Amino acid sequence: AQSVAQPEDQVNVAEGNPLTVKCTYSVSGNPYLFWYVQYPNRGLQFLLKYITGDNLVKGSYGFEAEFNKSQTSFHLKKPSALVSDSALYFCAVREGSNTGKLIFGQGTTLQVKP
Amino acid sequence: DAGVIQSPRHEVTEMGQEVTLRCKPISGHDYLFWYRQTMMRGLELLIYFNNNVPIDDSGMPEDRFSAKMPNASFSTLKIQPSEPRDSAVYFCASTNSGTGRPEQFFGPGTRLTVL
Repeated sequence: AQSVAQPEDQVNVAEGNPLTVKCTYSVSGNPYLFWYVQYPNRGLQFLLKYITGDNLVKGSYGFEAEFNKSQTSFHLKKPSALVSDSALYFCAVREGSNTGKLIFGQGTTLQVKP
Repeated sequence: DAGVIQSPRHEVTEMGQEVTLRCKPISGHDYLFWYRQTMMRGLELLIYFNNNVPIDDSGMPEDRFSAKMPNASFSTLKIQPSEPRDSAVYFCASTNSGTGRPEQFFGPGTRLTVL
């Protein structure tokens, strides 16, 4: 069965430093992978996705994610963190090839300090 | 496009009352999902529909919860009777499985407080 793991409940980083939020997955077949961000009192917003092609995927707000098939990882990255990036981040994988259902990780809180 | 629309945005009710949450998916989307989010349990999938048909309701916590999708542009999630432990933020999301955009689009959520 498909699954997603986000091993860190919280990530702390100083403003201006690079950030990484980790995600590993388990799927049968080719993975469809996603990152979402949730700001306080808001719904989840789509950041980026990997379906096929380049392993480095670029998304909204300067975020990017690196797909690593051998390590079954899809880590979210940003070269220079902003205080406004502080939010809850979810990794997700699509369940199967012909469904809209996503399996979400438990979420990682990113705290960027000035 | 207006995105996924949910109403009400906030609902405060008393234990035992019936609560109905509403969702309008993005036009043309064939999947609709209802999620619940709490601090303790995180984000939980309650039920989802494909072409207005319920596909998987295994996440619905109890018989007090029911969901319907009478047409492609409207869905409801009903709790009857409501209990304090139902207090949470309920999200609706939709997606179109037939396009090159498999991501789900989420509504702003309904914050439910049951006193």
